[in-house]
Amino acid sequence: EAQVTQNPRYLITVTGKKLTVTCSQNMNHEYMSWYRQDPGLGLRQIYYSMNVEVTDKGDVPEGYKVSRKEKRNFPLILESPSPNQTSLYFCASSLGINRDRTEAFFGQGTRLTVV
Amino acid sequence: AQSVTQLDSHVSVSEGTPVLLRCNYSSSYSPSLFWYVQHPNKGLQLLLKYTSAATLVKGINGFEAEFKKSETSFHLTKPSAHMSDAAEYFCVVSLSNDMRFGAGTRLTVKP
Repeated sequence: EAQVTQNPRYLITVTGKKLTVTCSQNMNHEYMSWYRQDPGLGLRQIYYSMNVEVTDKGDVPEGYKVSRKEKRNFPLILESPSPNQTSLYFCASSLGINRDRTEAFFGQGTRLTVV
Repeated sequence: AQSVTQLDSHVSVSEGTPVLLRCNYSSSYSPSLFWYVQHPNKGLQLLLKYTSAATLVKGINGFEAEFKKSETSFHLTKPSAHMSDAAEYFCVVSLSNDMRFGAGTRLTVKP
């Protein structure tokens, strides 16, 4: 089954304790991205990757890191989480940048609480 | 730059009545447009997409949307609401993978 898998689904952590949210897709997609969802703001892009070893900042990258060592995986790293990073996070993937290939597939989401 | 505005943060309808969720977009070029649905505690599911073919796009679960370039709109409709349609709906404009989400419209369906 074609899917994007995020782990964990729920996470409660303390300020400053490094954490990683994993994302994996099995569709051989080139493009992957991370979003955060906050009430009244829709989804905002944190980072994206157009292919292996190619990553770039989205609209709200501060406090986050990513890596793309393999095509299928795109982990999100919070080196020193703060309470303002409490949010619902989504990983997404799509085939590529051509017009008819931009439909994104989303993971189930990771609800992160930083206390 | 591109952006999308969902004109209603909350829409409430009775079961069996029509649904209209409004979306206006702004883009310098001809973008792709999408509607996604998010049920409680679930990820986002694609309802339908417009990529430059027919202006009236049919999606899953009886939803459809009409692309109107002159009005820069991409409103989502359904003739008859079902209880299972209660969810949050996002209009998305995309150009070369730069996806911009609207703030979302929460649809409530009353029995």
